[in-house]
Amino acid sequence: EAGVAQSPRYKIIEKRQSVAFWCNPISGHATLYWYQQILGQGPKLLIQFQNNGVVDDSQLPKDRFSAERLKGVDSTLKIQPAKLEDSAVYLCASSLNEGRYGYTFGSGTRLTVV
Amino acid sequence: TQLLEQSPQFLSIQEGENLTVYCNSSSVFSSLQWYRQEPGEGPVLLVTVVTGGEVKKLKRLTFQFGDARKDSSLHITAAQTGDTGLYLCAGLFFSGNTGKLIFGQGTTLQVKP
Repeated sequence: EAGVAQSPRYKIIEKRQSVAFWCNPISGHATLYWYQQILGQGPKLLIQFQNNGVVDDSQLPKDRFSAERLKGVDSTLKIQPAKLEDSAVYLCASSLNEGRYGYTFGSGTRLTVV
Repeated sequence: TQLLEQSPQFLSIQEGENLTVYCNSSSVFSSLQWYRQEPGEGPVLLVTVVTGGEVKKLKRLTFQFGDARKDSSLHITAAQTGDTGLYLCAGLFFSGNTGKLIFGQGTTLQVKP
């Protein structure tokens, strides 16, 4: 089966600019997640979707981050305006059955804010 | 708030040595998942342990889930250079019917030839 697709792979922007990331999960996976991973650390959950509804966005900095999952399939994560501390890898993952069998991650988008 | 403490954070060993990575929490998890991540890639699931006391083996890797389902360990026998990477433990818990996975800080393993 095809994996989780993410684009772009890399992005360099100046602080205060905006950026958007795209994710296409594995077909049939109802749950989609966006994680932020600082270099050398474990991923931190930003937002979790069940189909096209948000089930957890408690750690999403809502003043600058937004995410949507239209039609319960693809998802986009946006940052506006970006700050230097947003430099990280943004990982998208999807799962079946609430993650009981594990998550499948995409390769991530490495964001550098200068 | 569920937290997972992973240790050690960094490990540099020679090829052929054995090592153990620990993952500890004060919280009970439905299951504990171990992932391996290589540079420029997303984490890849190695194993899921579900039952307290469960032991699973994956070639030279042995995973154990604590009896109380609060801790886990990963033991690698005779490490190889190909084992180099970031190892992540992740605990699955449920809030209502919603499953949530939290990650430890990760263990960066370097195996030198």
